[in-house]
Amino acid sequence: GIQVEQSPPDLILQEGANSTLRCNFSDSVNNLQWFHQNPWGQLINLFYIPSGTKQNGRLSATTVATERYSLLYISSSQTTDSGVYFCAVLILWGNNDMRFGAGTRLTVKP
Amino acid sequence: DSGVTQTPKHLITATGQRVTLRCSPRSGDLSVYWYQQSLDQGLQFLIQYYNGEERAKGNILERFSAQQFPDLHSELNLSSLELGDSALYFCASSVGLDAGELFFGEGSRLTVL
Repeated sequence: GIQVEQSPPDLILQEGANSTLRCNFSDSVNNLQWFHQNPWGQLINLFYIPSGTKQNGRLSATTVATERYSLLYISSSQTTDSGVYFCAVLILWGNNDMRFGAGTRLTVKP
Repeated sequence: DSGVTQTPKHLITATGQRVTLRCSPRSGDLSVYWYQQSLDQGLQFLIQYYNGEERAKGNILERFSAQQFPDLHSELNLSSLELGDSALYFCASSVGLDAGELFFGEGSRLTVL
């Protein structure tokens, strides 16, 4: 089945720093989303980005579908950015289930 | 607020028991998905319903079942519970049959003692 790999698995930053999270996937996809799971367990939609680039405030994302990767950029990080960031993909001819990566655990220190 | 409502938020029960988790999708969404998040397995797809019909099945145990009602809310039934069923159960919804953008509820945290 499709492999979804996220890196790094853990990231510790000082407040104000920038970071790049990566998601590699092993097959063609027609849907890719980034989620933030906050410390209370809520899964929050960040981007729906099967291809191209999107920006939302301090966050932006780029998906290069032909090269099978997506990047999530966080600029000027804040302590509220802490949590786990998941990439999820829907493969082109699959079972219609979104496959999640293992996540990147981000800790932003004040 | 994603617009997806899940109840209960927390549930503690004993092994061998049965529980029902409920999900109301976003207004206008016809698809409902159930996911299980456990510490050792990550986020796993269980099952999808579209407009009342089962459309896709993932790693759902035979002890688990689900349905979607005419008003589009869905229930996930977990029976003969085991310690290993302790997890966060998420419901998600999307507009169409194919998994477009998914919106997740806040989850139901199940603890089996």
